[in-house]
Amino acid sequence: DTAVSQTPKYLVTQMGNDKSIKCEQNLGHDTMYWYKQDSKKFLKIMFSYNNKELIINETVPNRFSPKSPDKAHLNLHINSLELGDSAVYFCASSSRVSPLHFGNGTRLTVT
Amino acid sequence: SQQGEEDPQALSIQEGENATMNCSYKTSINNLQWYRQNSGRGLVHLILIRSNEREKHSGRLRVTLDTSKKSSSLLITASRAADTASYFCATDLDYNQGGKLIFGQGTELSVKP
Repeated sequence: DTAVSQTPKYLVTQMGNDKSIKCEQNLGHDTMYWYKQDSKKFLKIMFSYNNKELIINETVPNRFSPKSPDKAHLNLHINSLELGDSAVYFCASSSRVSPLHFGNGTRLTVT
Repeated sequence: SQQGEEDPQALSIQEGENATMNCSYKTSINNLQWYRQNSGRGLVHLILIRSNEREKHSGRLRVTLDTSKKSSSLLITASRAADTASYFCATDLDYNQGGKLIFGQGTELSVKP
């Protein structure tokens, strides 16, 4: 019973393509996040949604667009992929009384 | 800008030894959390210490917080090979700073059997 699941686990694509990563949580949490982890393992928040409302939107290129159809899902769509977008992307969720629960990540490789 | 910095960046010890990792941060916080990341997996929450607490224990984990020095340490006692992972501190900022969780760069711990 994976609490936070994201798909796909691996994503290899060419520059200029558009791709999406999906995330779902079954914990009943009301806040979901996207984090980016670079090759040096530095983890940086990208977006945060609370009950489908965007509450944190860090300095991320407009090519990245999160979408939350309901509070259990937060997807990430990336347009016109660039080499520098290669990283591991983590979805996470939390509530007021719960710490972050992370998915197992999506390793994106842009060639 | 990066909030937390961990020290050391890498630590290699023998099974049974204790491992100590340190974290420093820059701004005032609500709480500080420690997470573990096994290779190829997501981060897993270990322990949370609030800004008005100085020490907290959970099993073989001991966390200290010194808000005057803006630093925290994580001690793992009697380490096991299964403790091999990266360990991250994360600070939950004051409400006035948006309340978001900011991670350090992690300490890579290797425990040799």
